Amino acid sequence: DAKTTQPPSMDCAEGRAANLPCNHSTISGNEYVYWYRQIHSQGPQYIIHGLKNNETNEMASLIITEDRKSSTLILPHATLRDTAVYYCIVNSFGNQFYFGTGTSLTVIP
Amino acid sequence: DTGVSQDPRHKITKRGQNVTFRCDPISEHNRLYWYRQTLGQGPEFLTYFQNEAQLEKSRLLSDRFSAERPKGSFSTLEIQRTEQGDSAMYLCASSLAREQETQYFGPGTRLLVL
Repeated sequence: DAKTTQPPSMDCAEGRAANLPCNHSTISGNEYVYWYRQIHSQGPQYIIHGLKNNETNEMASLIITEDRKSSTLILPHATLRDTAVYYCIVNSFGNQFYFGTGTSLTVIP
Repeated sequence: DTGVSQDPRHKITKRGQNVTFRCDPISEHNRLYWYRQTLGQGPEFLTYFQNEAQLEKSRLLSDRFSAERPKGSFSTLEIQRTEQGDSAMYLCASSLAREQETQYFGPGTRLLVL
């Protein structure tokens, strides 16, 4: 079952940074944190993942706290196309992805 | 397009009919996953394959559900004697089996059982 807790919904003004939190207080040492998003009626899209260091790619940044019990996905300049449901998943090799209900992010013009 | 593809994208069927969905993974990926997603919920894991071996199937929803990956490439998911409760989005994902395993999802097949 889902090992993460996310707020059910958030709003963000277009052009501003969107900061999406995730709690994973029971994360194990070998579990990675993955973020996916799902735009209405499409398949989930991979965004980023990390183990314990902060990560950045062309889509987003992932900040993981030192104790690894929580993380934040940062979309630096949100656009209307970033409106989606964002899922935070913790997973280790050989186990299954468990999606919770995610955070529904609405980017407001 | 070298991503995961699924066919059909939409399927409408009558209760009691059998349906089969196909998934073509990214070509070099050896793992293939099936998920189901109902309205307002996140994807729910059903089963997965590594090459042609089905390594986990205990989460298939009932014995009416079965999946195959006969040559370790494409996979099919069959639902026999469909019920209205089977109406959902069926998603396929593929990955390379390694420590940092990232799954890439297809667009899904939306099933409506009347």
